[in-house]
Amino acid sequence: DAEITQSPRHKITETGRQVTLACHQTWNHNNMFWYRQDLGHGLRLIHYSYGVHDTNKGEVSDGYSVSRSNTEDLPLTLESAASSQTSVYFCASSEGTSNYGYTFGSGTRLTVV
Amino acid sequence: KNQVEQSPQSLIILEGKNCTLQCNYTVSPFSNLRWYKQDTGRGPVSLTIMTFSENTKSNGRYTATLDADTKQSSLHITASQLSDSASYICVVSAGLADDYKLSFGAGTTVTVRA
Repeated sequence: DAEITQSPRHKITETGRQVTLACHQTWNHNNMFWYRQDLGHGLRLIHYSYGVHDTNKGEVSDGYSVSRSNTEDLPLTLESAASSQTSVYFCASSEGTSNYGYTFGSGTRLTVV
Repeated sequence: KNQVEQSPQSLIILEGKNCTLQCNYTVSPFSNLRWYKQDTGRGPVSLTIMTFSENTKSNGRYTATLDADTKQSSLHITASQLSDSASYICVVSAGLADDYKLSFGAGTTVTVRA
């Protein structure tokens, strides 16, 4: 069965370190997204991609970067981790735009100490 | 600014009872409205998607309604089960077909007690 997987599930890192969160989907979806979820807030878009070599900034992109070298993967990199980036991160994919549903991964809980 | 407000923030119901969750939005141009269920420690899972022309859609014991004129939606859970304990998130899609964005509500946490 097709799936979308995130790794690691939990990560603790120190302030200033570079961290990469992995997202891998086998749906063959062109569109992939990274969100962060914080208590009391809705999911907020960090970066997204509509295909290989395409990347776009979302509403909270500062301090994050992504690259899309193939259809299956969209890794999220925190260049220099800050305590404000402690959050739960969700990756999602969709077949198309507008009325297509999103499939979410199970999330990565990142703690920056 | 596109906003999605959900109420109540949380609620507790007894198993077998019904409940209704509310969602108000200020999103333009409107494309569609989605309801997601998010179990603790998991990613959101889609329950329903409604476009402008649809005013109700069901998925088992879940029924969503949409009033595009008043920009309100509701999610009704019928005969609740313990497995319905989760956060329910209202999501509104805005924009044109090739460049759209999702606006997420903060969610309503539902606890079903035996």
